[in-house]
Amino acid sequence: QVQLVQSGAEVKKPGASVKVSCKASGYTFTDYYLHWVRQAPGQGLEWMGWIYPNSGGTKYAQKFQDRVTMTRDTSISTVYMELSSLRSDDTAVYYCARVKGPRDYWGQGTLVTVSS
Amino acid sequence: EIVLTQSPGTLSLSPGERATLSCRASQSISSTNLAWYQHKPGQAPRLLIYYTSSRATGIPDRFSGSGSGTDFTLTISRLEPEDFAVYYCQQYGSSPFGGGTKVEIK
Repeated sequence: QVQLVQSGAEVKKPGASVKVSCKASGYTFTDYYLHWVRQAPGQGLEWMGWIYPNSGGTKYAQKFQDRVTMTRDTSISTVYMELSSLRSDDTAVYYCARVKGPRDYWGQGTLVTVSS
Repeated sequence: EIVLTQSPGTLSLSPGERATLSCRASQSISSTNLAWYQHKPGQAPRLLIYYTSSRATGIPDRFSGSGSGTDFTLTISRLEPEDFAVYYCQQYGSSPFGGGTKVEIK
């Protein structure tokens, strides 16, 4: 069965960077785009971008263009989302997701807390 | 980047009632590119509708999507208790989500 398993919670100081991983299993890793979505406390969903593991190609939301980097390691079927110059309003649950109709699969979410 | 505007922000309805949610795009979207998601607190979002009107796997037929161009609609024909949640539209995996519509119990 398809599974996306994310790395554990992180606590970071303002200005630091965080790198969240998402390990895929149960399907051919290079066949599907993987997306990153976050939700800050009390806020709506924010789409951050996608990575296509086959080529490593990426597309980022304009809001995160200057601070986010998505990469992959095909040898271990894992994608990474790194967010730099963290601010307090980056405190959120970060999800990776494989969404291609009619099925979607989501990681369990990773809480990133930014606090001094 | 396309901006999606959802309305209303909150919809207060009773179980059994019909819910109509709107999503308006800042420019025309291909009908193959509009999706709807449901999100409940503490859970991952769930894909409801893709390609504007196709139901995702396991989604009951009380959920339906329609629209074209810049105006899209999600309809829940008869609200069940488990349908009270926040709903988001998105240009399928390539743009920010709309601001969401919260469907709450009246």
